[in-house]
Amino acid sequence: AQKITQTQPGMFVQEKEAVTLDCTYDTSDPSYGLFWYKQPSSGEMIFLIYQGSYDQQNATEGRYSLNFQKARKSANLVISASQLGDSAMYFCAMREAGILTGGGNKLTFGTGTQLKVEL
Amino acid sequence: KAGVTQTPRYLIKTRGQQVTLSCSPISGHRSVSWYQQTPGQGLQFLFEYFSETQRNKGNFPGRFSGRQFSNSRSEMNVSTLELGDSALYLCASRGPGSTDTQYFGPGTRLTVL
Repeated sequence: AQKITQTQPGMFVQEKEAVTLDCTYDTSDPSYGLFWYKQPSSGEMIFLIYQGSYDQQNATEGRYSLNFQKARKSANLVISASQLGDSAMYFCAMREAGILTGGGNKLTFGTGTQLKVEL
Repeated sequence: KAGVTQTPRYLIKTRGQQVTLSCSPISGHRSVSWYQQTPGQGLQFLFEYFSETQRNKGNFPGRFSGRQFSNSRSEMNVSTLELGDSALYLCASRGPGSTDTQYFGPGTRLTVL
């Protein structure tokens, strides 16, 4: 089974609108972290937001918020007030603490969602 | 604080050659991980080094190897290059403390002809 699933290969949103990018995950590890990264065409992976499995509150970072629904194993990224510069590929990733697999900082990535912000 | 740096940024090699890529983590970070990104396979974990020791390894052939130096800088080496090794190679560093965040460098784009 895929550990990280992003079902939206491409999304369009109008400038100043909000957009939700979907991410579901699969793990048996009770301790894990979920990340969202942005990758513009230049290739660099830019960290956006992090949610730990034990965090009680949904993470927020400026215009980014993470809608964490642990029971449903989903970690959707919400971008408010979209800007043209938000056009990029967005990746959801998970780090499992490794109680079952041995630890480390390995990230498992989804296949990404290409977001295009339009005027 | 300077970010993660990777050198070179672009590289063109021919089949059968070998290549060495370098990654300097954020100052104070001791963990360095490497990833390969291709259009077909997406982002795949290669290996992680922490305090000069390989801590975790992905499912790649032995042609892919790495090491980490005492200053936390890391290198990865690919021997006997194949066309399929053409990819963007990204490294990420993580620091001490409770934050789980890993920061990526700009990547090295390798083209194998």
